[in-house]
Formats: sequence, C-alpha cells, structure tokens
Amino acid sequence: NAGVTQTPKFQVLKTGQSMTLQCAQDMNHEYMSWYRQDPGMGLRLIHYSVGAGITDQGEVPNGYNVSRSTTEDFPLRLLSAAPSQTSVYFCASSQTSGDLLYNEQFFGPGTRLTVL
Amino acid sequence: RKEVEQDPGPFNVPEGATVAFNCTYSNSASQSFFWYRQDCRKEPKLLMSVYSSGNEDGRFTAQLNRASQYISLLIRDSKLSDSATYLCVVTPFNKFYFGSGTKLNVKP
Repeated sequence: NAGVTQTPKFQVLKTGQSMTLQCAQDMNHEYMSWYRQDPGMGLRLIHYSVGAGITDQGEVPNGYNVSRSTTEDFPLRLLSAAPSQTSVYFCASSQTSGDLLYNEQFFGPGTRLTVL
Repeated sequence: RKEVEQDPGPFNVPEGATVAFNCTYSNSASQSFFWYRQDCRKEPKLLMSVYSSGNEDGRFTAQLNRASQYISLLIRDSKLSDSATYLCVVTPFNKFYFGSGTKLNVKP
C-alpha cells in the first residue's frame, strides 16, 4: 500500500493564481481531511470529509474548496492564491468504525506551497 | 480561544531524563485524545492514543484528566531519538484539533 500520497511536493505560485493540491489514499478510508501548518501554529483543519459526496468546513476554510467524488481522492483547490496561504499542507485519512473519532489519522508527506 | 493549548518549549533534557508535557483543551465534549510525534519537516505520526484510565507504551505514559480538561505525556529514560515535536490532538464533533506542539531536545 502506498498509504496517503500528495502531489506536488513543492509549488510556487503568484498571487491570484489557482491550483489544485492532490491527495489520494489506497486504504479505503472514509474520513479524509486537509490541514495547513504554519510556524508556531500547529496544524489547522481546512476541510474534511466523512465519505464520498460529503464535505464540511474546518477551522480555516476561506479561500479553499474541496470535493470528494470518490473514496480515494480528496483534492484541495486554491481559488485565488494569496501570500497568506504560504504554508505546508497535509492531507490525512482515517478508517471509520462504530466510533470514528478513536481512529488514527495517517498523513501524507505534505506539500510546501509558497505564494509570491 | 484555542481548542488545544500546549507549551511550545523547547524542553532541553539530557539523555536518561524523565520529561512531561501537558496539553489543555477547551471543549468538554471532546471524545478522543491522542499524542502525535512530528520530526522536522515531516508529517505527524501517531505516538499513542490516550484512554480515560491512562495508558502506557514502553517508556511513554499518557494520562487524561477530564475534570480539568488536560492530557499529559510522560517520557522516561529519554533517548536522543526522542527529539521531536509532540502534538496533542483532541476530537470533538468529527474534527481533529491539533495543539501547536511541544519541542523536545534530548542532548547527550
């Protein structure tokens, strides 16, 4: 199993450009989520999904869109990049069970995004 | 108010020392609690879950105090390889909230 994969690993954008960060998992996990990590801020939840066709907002959703058309993929779209979106982005997935919240999250290696 | 608060450290300790981290959370509805470890510029990885009765995994002991809304992590006999940032995580309502992390430096 590849686990959780993210592409690209690095990206530089200009202000106003749009792009999609890709995330895929091959563990058949229902729960997937996107975080951003800034220095001294820890990981902040952007959006999450509890299954295909279902998404919801996290702590910092503004400026980002997500969709979940399949169980495997959970892309994150930056609509119009801003310097404040310079960050490291992590995607994660988790197996669901009778009690979803007790399950470990598996993280991808991250995407380092710089917006000029 | 942040959902999860941690002392950022760094905690600088010699090899063999015992070190403890605390983490406080604001939402009393939080149901699950975890400690993750993150090495520099790497993804976080689960260190251990935290159960109501407390739990131990080798040199690591985690405790939960629901009344005071904090969780703790104790590391005994610190190794150089324990140097990392330790993140506490709480989960109310289908969301995982991460603390900003506590940095540990174990020195020879």
